[in-house]
Amino acid sequence: NAGVTQTPKFQVLKTGQSMTLQCAQDMNHNSMYWYRQDPGMGLRLIYYSASEGTTDKGEVPNGYNVSRLNKREFSLRLESAAPSQTSVYFCASRQDPNSPLHFGNGTRLTVT
Amino acid sequence: AQRVTQPEKLLSVFKGAPVELKCNYSYSGSPELFWYVQYSRQRLQLLLRHISRESIKGFTADLNKGETSFHLKKPFAQEEDSAMYYCALGSGYALNFGKGTSLLVTP
Repeated sequence: NAGVTQTPKFQVLKTGQSMTLQCAQDMNHNSMYWYRQDPGMGLRLIYYSASEGTTDKGEVPNGYNVSRLNKREFSLRLESAAPSQTSVYFCASRQDPNSPLHFGNGTRLTVT
Repeated sequence: AQRVTQPEKLLSVFKGAPVELKCNYSYSGSPELFWYVQYSRQRLQLLLRHISRESIKGFTADLNKGETSFHLKKPFAQEEDSAMYYCALGSGYALNFGKGTSLLVTP
């Protein structure tokens, strides 16, 4: 049972390049989330999807877009990467608001 | 606006000493509060949630609505408790985290 799988694990981009971070869960969870983790800033919510077909902005959505492709998959896109987007990105999922979040292993992104 | 505050970036205690990691929140509704932990080289995972009123690995947390706090406590710290601890506040489907407290338990 893989849980939450994120790809890639590492990525280096140049300023202005675009890329998509992939996330898939095999737990049949309804809700999925994208966070970024920065030193001294903790985890900040970028976007979330309460259920298939819906997405909502979190605390720091600027510069990102998301797609809930189906119940399993929730991707995060950077259209024009900036150095300020250098971070570790975590995807997570849960069944409902009272359930625990299950996290992926993270994607370490560096934008030069 | 909802907010979670963890005032301590780093907390260092000796093995066997009591531990209290502070968490304060601001939220106009009825809060859903959680503690998550990240051990070295492991995924973030749920430690406990206020609705369960449970004790996990010797840790407890009580919701104090009057003081808007949800502090995490353990009477006797162990070296394996060294980790990053995050307090989180749920608002509907959104879940927002504090900045985290790094706990270091030294022998």
